[in-house]
Amino acid sequence: EVQLLKSGGGLVQPGGSLRLSCAASGITFSRYAMTWVRQAPGKGLEWVSSISGSGVIAYYADSVKGRFTVSRYNSKNTLSLQMNSLRGEDTAIYYCARSISSQPSASYYLDSWGQGALVTVSS
Amino acid sequence: EIVMTQSPATLSASPGDRVTLSCRASQSVSSNLAWYQQKIGQAPTLLIYDASTRVPAIPARFSGSGSGTEFILTISSLQSEDFAVYYCQQYDTWPPALTFGGGTRIEIK
Repeated sequence: EVQLLKSGGGLVQPGGSLRLSCAASGITFSRYAMTWVRQAPGKGLEWVSSISGSGVIAYYADSVKGRFTVSRYNSKNTLSLQMNSLRGEDTAIYYCARSISSQPSASYYLDSWGQGALVTVSS
Repeated sequence: EIVMTQSPATLSASPGDRVTLSCRASQSVSSNLAWYQQKIGQAPTLLIYDASTRVPAIPARFSGSGSGTEFILTISSLQSEDFAVYYCQQYDTWPPALTFGGGTRIEIK
């Protein structure tokens, strides 16, 4: 069974920084791309970022590009999201998820999700 | 960006009902579509991928159909544990730019 355990999250002022981590167990971590998805309070799901299994390639939503950086440490089965220049609209629950590509030309569906980490950006 | 539109936003139903949820893509996504269930206070759970392939652990009452721009999630006989929010997600684009529908909430009638 895949387990994805979150750490990080909390209250931060606008313009501040925060780092989320996601520790994976039960899988060969480096074989899988990983994705961050967020959910603002009472709202739907929004893709934030995906990173390849090797960690060489990362992709970002326009809303976070240039402010967020995703990274992974395969030797420690850990995924991270460094969030800088945070804004009120970044307030959300952040989920990490294992990402599966079923076709070479397609991107990812998300077959295992970690528990959410709440990030609140407020003064 | 591919926009995913789900309807209805809210569906009132009773246990035992057959329900159908709709998801429409603003352009063709082939069969690169997934469905998720999210219960209050929990992370989403994958139900269906590739439009119609059910995750093995998911009960057979859940089924998905469609391709291109029109997709359906059917629950053949609603159970009490199925009252939740359901999201569709396309994964047709490369590089990744995953997009989700706004969700359909199934509530008890």
